Amino acid sequence: GAVVSQHPSWVICKSGTSVKIECRSLDFQATTMFWYRQFPKQSLMLMATSNEGSKATYEQGVEKDKFLINHASLTLSTLTVTSAHPEDSSFYICSARASVYNEQFFGPGTRLTVL
Amino acid sequence: QKEVEQNSGPLSVPEGAIASLNCTYSDRVSQSFFWYRQYSGKSPELIMSIYSNGDKEDGRFTAQLNKASQYVSLLIRDSQPSDSATYLCAAYTGGFKTIFGAGTRLFVKA
Repeated sequence: GAVVSQHPSWVICKSGTSVKIECRSLDFQATTMFWYRQFPKQSLMLMATSNEGSKATYEQGVEKDKFLINHASLTLSTLTVTSAHPEDSSFYICSARASVYNEQFFGPGTRLTVL
Repeated sequence: QKEVEQNSGPLSVPEGAIASLNCTYSDRVSQSFFWYRQYSGKSPELIMSIYSNGDKEDGRFTAQLNKASQYVSLLIRDSQPSDSATYLCAAYTGGFKTIFGAGTRLFVKA
């Protein structure tokens, strides 16, 4: 149990375009979802926390107008990177937590390359 | 600032040995503790959860928690080259956020 999927697993886009990443909890209802970014050989960096039906809470230094997060249902959250630039190239990972667990379960990640 | 501290490593152990990974946390109200394994280029995978003082065993893995010392550890018995990864310690203090350590890199030499 506790499976989280992400789509796409990798994406290449041109500078200036927007990219949407989906995160789904497949076998549980996720009251809270998290979005992380990880650069090569670096630690996980929490970008934002979202609760179903509420606005996301962004970490300091993360531009909310650039990284749009929608958590419209208990099984789906989306991250849209708007007007992507090469410096946004990274490994984006979502995770989800159900109200009955304290554990976070991670999706497989999305590797974004902006040309 | 609530923190979870880990030695970044790398920790190198020979195949078959016991690997010992350590973690300290600063927030005394932390309730739950987790160990995740992250292979290079992959996302973290939950391997152990521990909530009470003492030891919890699952196969070759044993998690140890000492709340008085604010210390949690992970022992990997009979280490295998496939255990080579970064191990992340995490603490949940209630609310919405879990605090992750930066991770310890483990190398198991064949």
